[in-house]
Formats: sequence, C-alpha cells, structure tokens
Amino acid sequence: DAGVIQSPRHEVTEMGQEVTLRCKPISGHDYLFWYRQTMMRGLELLIYFNNNVPIDDSGMPEDRFSAKMPNASFSTLKIQPSEPRDSAVYFCASQTGAEAFFGQGTRLTVV
Amino acid sequence: GNSVTQMEGPVTLSEEAFLTINCTYTATGYPSLFWYVQYPGEGLQLLLKATKADDKGSNKGFEATYRKETTSFHLEKGSVQVSDSAVYFCDRVLHDMRFGAGTRLTVKP
Repeated sequence: DAGVIQSPRHEVTEMGQEVTLRCKPISGHDYLFWYRQTMMRGLELLIYFNNNVPIDDSGMPEDRFSAKMPNASFSTLKIQPSEPRDSAVYFCASQTGAEAFFGQGTRLTVV
Repeated sequence: GNSVTQMEGPVTLSEEAFLTINCTYTATGYPSLFWYVQYPGEGLQLLLKATKADDKGSNKGFEATYRKETTSFHLEKGSVQVSDSAVYFCDRVLHDMRFGAGTRLTVKP
C-alpha cells in the first residue's frame, strides 16, 4: 500500500476563495482523522470518522470548515471562504487497530 | 477522564547526550500508550508503544517503560544523534488521538 495520500502537497490561495483538501486513507482502515498544525497551536484534531461516519467534529474551528467522507477510500476537508489565519499544515491520518498512519500533509497558505 | 501530560520543550542537546522526555498519564484502568515522532516536513509516525503495565517499547535506540506505580511512560535514549531532531508526541487511547504540542528536540553536532 502507498500509505495515506494527501493532495495537494502545497496550496496557495487568496483570501475568500474556497479550498478543498483531499485524502485517500490506507485500504481497510476504519478510522480517518483530519488535523491542523501550526507553530502557535501545535497539532489540533479537527474531526474524525469511523466507517465513513463523522464521530467528533468538535475541533472544527467554525462553520467555514466542513469535512466529508463519501466512501471508505476518500475524504475531503473544505474551507469556504478561506482566511489568512487558516494558513497551516493539514494532516490526514487513517487507523485500524493499534497504529495511526499519517499522510505527508498539505501546506496551505492563504494570502 | 484519560489524559497525558508531556514535558514541554524545546529541548536542545549535544550529540551523544542522554535524552529523557517525560510523559505521565491519568486514566481509569491501563490504556495503551504510544510515542509518535514527527521529522521535519513529514507527518507523525509511530515510534514505539506499550499495551500493558511493565511493558517496554523500543525502537531506533529509544525506549519507554509503562510504569503503573508512577503512571509514567518516559521516553529515553542513551546517545542521541543529529538525525533524532524532531518533535515527539506522547499519547494514549486509539480512537481519539489529540497529541497536543509535542516536545521539540534539537540535537547539535
């Protein structure tokens, strides 16, 4: 398996634009997580899914953020409209059993 | 509830120095405990784990022992290398992993 795949690796967008981050988890993993990482706040759990169902979205900062998992092999995190304070590295991770596997992350810059 | 408390960084050491990063937990029962590592520009990856009291996890020269009497899971390495420079995260539980700020380690030649 190629591991957790995130796209794009880098995204630069203008304030107010819609941004969609994508994640392909490892096949067979039943948990999927979205995290945001900044120097100020460290690693924050935004939302996680179990068997494609959102379980806890209490970390989603505001209504501008939404996440979906239409099937077991794909998830998206959408920010609309984006703001400069959303600039961060966003990680997706998938898990089954005892270990979580992380993607390489998407570095988002909102100017 | 269950939680972990990890030593705040940053930690700066010279090559070949001894490393300890403290981690303590509070829990009802004995949760599995993990150390994850994040190298620059990458996502987190599992470094080692222990699933029950007195277990010792080890990997890449790092060790951590699950000690129920002190509710601790401290990370240790006898001789660090420059390549160990990374952020280290201690956590418990499987399906609600929040990690926190981690401890940034910088090893200087």
